[in-house]
Amino acid sequence: EDQVTQSPEALRLQEGESSSLNCSYTVSGLRGLFWYRQDPGKGPEFLFTLYSAGEEKEKERLKATLTKKESFLHITAPKPEDSATYLCAVQAGNAGNMLTFGGGTRLMVKP
Amino acid sequence: SQTIHQWPATLVQPVGSPLSLECTVEGTSNPNLYWYRQAAGRGLQLLFYSVGIGQISSEVPQNLSASRPQDRQFILSSKKLLLSDSGFYLCAWSTFGQGHHFGDGTRLSIL
Repeated sequence: EDQVTQSPEALRLQEGESSSLNCSYTVSGLRGLFWYRQDPGKGPEFLFTLYSAGEEKEKERLKATLTKKESFLHITAPKPEDSATYLCAVQAGNAGNMLTFGGGTRLMVKP
Repeated sequence: SQTIHQWPATLVQPVGSPLSLECTVEGTSNPNLYWYRQAAGRGLQLLFYSVGIGQISSEVPQNLSASRPQDRQFILSSKKLLLSDSGFYLCAWSTFGQGHHFGDGTRLSIL
């Protein structure tokens, strides 16, 4: 069974304090790993897709990396507007288009 | 560009009443469509998915049902709501091999 575990569940940072969110996964043949941002009361917003170990993607202050067991979402010099819940999901090679989601990390950035 | 519409944004219903939530997608043909439920502070639970008109697969036994009367229309229904049906319902679409794109959700409260 595919499993995704995100840590920490919640993270409080001061503005400018860089950190990383972790997404550990167990999947039968990874087809893709997806990162989403979710603001309160809204649907998840797509951020990145990673397909193979060693791949990296960047967008503004965010950088996602992938190994064979986990993915990291690095946040450099965060701002209060980066506060949100960040969700990780995996797509297995034998699961059609299905995604398995982790429980998310709630990030709070204080000014 | 593709867009997804979900309505209503919020809904308050009494126990035992019926439910109909609607989702439509624009700008793409023959998408895979999904209904998810998200409990407060928790991850996403897949309820139903559809790969084509009239084709519905259920992931979780419950008193909810789904229908896909048109290619880009997906409906979530119930004949009699339970208190446990409260939650945040999200519709999503995808094409093969890609991540899911979400609507803004419906906040359902059962009284």
